[in-house]
Amino acid sequence: QVTLRESGPALVKPTQTLTLTCTFSGFSLSTSGMCVSWIRQPPGKALEWLALIDWDDDKYYSTSLKTRLTISKDTSKNQVVLTMTNMDPVDTATYYCARIPGETGHFDYWGQGTLVTVSS
Amino acid sequence: DIQLTQSPSFLSASVGDRVTITCRASQGISSYLAWYQQKPGKAPKLLIYAASTLQSGVPSRFSGSGSGTEFTLTISSLQPEDFATYYCQQLNSYPVTFGGGTKVEIK
Repeated sequence: QVTLRESGPALVKPTQTLTLTCTFSGFSLSTSGMCVSWIRQPPGKALEWLALIDWDDDKYYSTSLKTRLTISKDTSKNQVVLTMTNMDPVDTATYYCARIPGETGHFDYWGQGTLVTVSS
Repeated sequence: DIQLTQSPSFLSASVGDRVTITCRASQGISSYLAWYQQKPGKAPKLLIYAASTLQSGVPSRFSGSGSGTEFTLTISSLQPEDFATYYCQQLNSYPVTFGGGTKVEIK
């Protein structure tokens, strides 16, 4: 049974760095083709893809946010970590992690999401 | 970046209606397109991947078609539980992109 769960602070101040952890079970990120990604959704708005890390430790980032994002994995702990620097109120959103199981590039399992509010 | 444009952005329909949502890509993406359904307060749910493959457990009234730059999601007979927002997504090339969403509401 595949599950993913996001964890991190619910509230961050402007200019701070956000660190989110995705803890997963039911699969291994060392399996060929496997990827874990972060996606966010501001309240009432569309989904926005942020970053992805694959089984081979290749990393990919949103064009508009790549200077602020870092994604990493700890295969032994079944965790993927996303850091986002210089947080701003416009970064207030629900942050999801999700799995891509292989070549077709679709997200088949998602976490429940975690709401992060940026406010002083 | 590949842009995905969904139309319409809002759709009002009745139970039993046939509904079609379109997703157009700014450049060819072969069949690397997926469709998701999202209900308020919930994570998106995968409906269709590889443009036309129905995800396990998804009702057969949902279908997808298309390749290249134009794709459609069809709900053959809208059910009360289908009122939600639908998104398309591509991973033909990085970065991953999503469409802007189509909200399906009850007429």
